[in-house]
Amino acid sequence: KAGVTQTPRYLIKTRGQQVTLSCSPISGHRSVSWYQQTPGQGLQFLFEYFSETQRNKGNFPGRFSGRQFSNSRSEMNVSTLELGDSALYLCASSWTGGAGDTEAFFGQGTRLTVV
Amino acid sequence: QKEVEQDPGPLSVPEGAIVSLNCTYSNSAFQYFMWYRQYSRKGPELLMYTYSSGNKEDGRFTAQVDKSSKYISLFIRDSQPSDSATYLCAIPTNTGFQKLVFGTGTRLLVSP
Repeated sequence: KAGVTQTPRYLIKTRGQQVTLSCSPISGHRSVSWYQQTPGQGLQFLFEYFSETQRNKGNFPGRFSGRQFSNSRSEMNVSTLELGDSALYLCASSWTGGAGDTEAFFGQGTRLTVV
Repeated sequence: QKEVEQDPGPLSVPEGAIVSLNCTYSNSAFQYFMWYRQYSRKGPELLMYTYSSGNKEDGRFTAQVDKSSKYISLFIRDSQPSDSATYLCAIPTNTGFQKLVFGTGTRLLVSP
């Protein structure tokens, strides 16, 4: 069974540019969550999509956005990149997103470096 | 104050030692408590979770919650070099477990 796939694995961007990251969840999973991981702040929740709708949102500025497609694949976009956006971006998928689902399966992440 | 606090370590122990990893949290309404393990260059993977107070055991791992002091622990018995990783406590803040608040993680090094 294929796991959560994130592409690309590594990215280098310049300040002011925008970037799009992709996440393919485990087959059949309908919920996709995104997290930012930095050495100083640890893992922080960005947002969650379920059935193509944003269902939960963290405390990040509007430069961070996302979407989910009908096949549950998800993308997140960061516009006007800042040096502080350098981080490992992780996505996690789960089955139905309901109260009975306790495990979110994480991908290996996309390492974004902003120079 | 952060919702979940965790000592970042690193914590270095010899093989076979008992390891204690700890977190504190601020919101007494939290009910579920999770432990994730993250190897270098990998995403986190769920080790185990507990509901409310008490202990839960899974092989060499025991998770413990003390809601009165808002303190959660993970004990690893007979630690192995393969246990060397970063351990993250996490608390779901929504009923669907999709919005997790994480501690910063404790890096554990088990030497042979």
